[in-house]
Amino acid sequence: AQKVTQAQTEISVVEKEDVTLDCVYETRDTTYYLFWYKQPPSGELVFLIRRNSFDEQNEISGRYSWNFQKSTSSFNFTITASQVVDSAVYFCALSELGNEKLTFGTGTRLTIIP
Amino acid sequence: DAGVIQSPRHEVTEMGQEVTLRCKPISGHNSLFWYRQTMMRGLELLIYFNNNVPIDDSGMPEDRFSAKMPNASFSTLKIQPSEPRDSAVYFCASSYDLGLAGGSSYNEQFFGPGTRLTVL
Repeated sequence: AQKVTQAQTEISVVEKEDVTLDCVYETRDTTYYLFWYKQPPSGELVFLIRRNSFDEQNEISGRYSWNFQKSTSSFNFTITASQVVDSAVYFCALSELGNEKLTFGTGTRLTIIP
Repeated sequence: DAGVIQSPRHEVTEMGQEVTLRCKPISGHNSLFWYRQTMMRGLELLIYFNNNVPIDDSGMPEDRFSAKMPNASFSTLKIQPSEPRDSAVYFCASSYDLGLAGGSSYNEQFFGPGTRLTVL
């Protein structure tokens, strides 16, 4: 069975600090897909990134970067120079080949203090 | 382009009443998902459809819950009778499945704004 663990329930940092959100996953499949979603206070879920299990290259998009390491089954998310608008709950999710079902972690509530 | 549309946005009802939540997926998407979010259980998949056919309904809590997708542009989630423990935010999401090996699993799901259901 697939499982996603986000051990950090809540994180608070001062604006402009860097912050890393951890995600550890479990799956028996060799082909799988990882995602990050953002849920701001308004409540909608916003897609941030997807990664497939064959691509371990790190990705950077502006202030966001993702570190995927199969050896540790982790897919961590770093925000550089955090801003108040980054305050949200962030979810890591997993799906396996042949099944579109997304299994979500419990989320990390990130608060950026001005 | 319009995103996933859900209605109503808020619903308050009394225990025992029937509740119907509605979803219009993004045009061209062929997979549709219903999720429920609660503090206790987080985000959990209830059911998903591919090409209007239910594929996985293992997350549907019990017989009080039912979902239909009569066509590619509309889906409903019905709770009858409703109970206070059904209070949650219900999200609908859609994606485009390339149809590889029964499901690409690769394309991101786009979520609607959610319906906040309160059962008194």
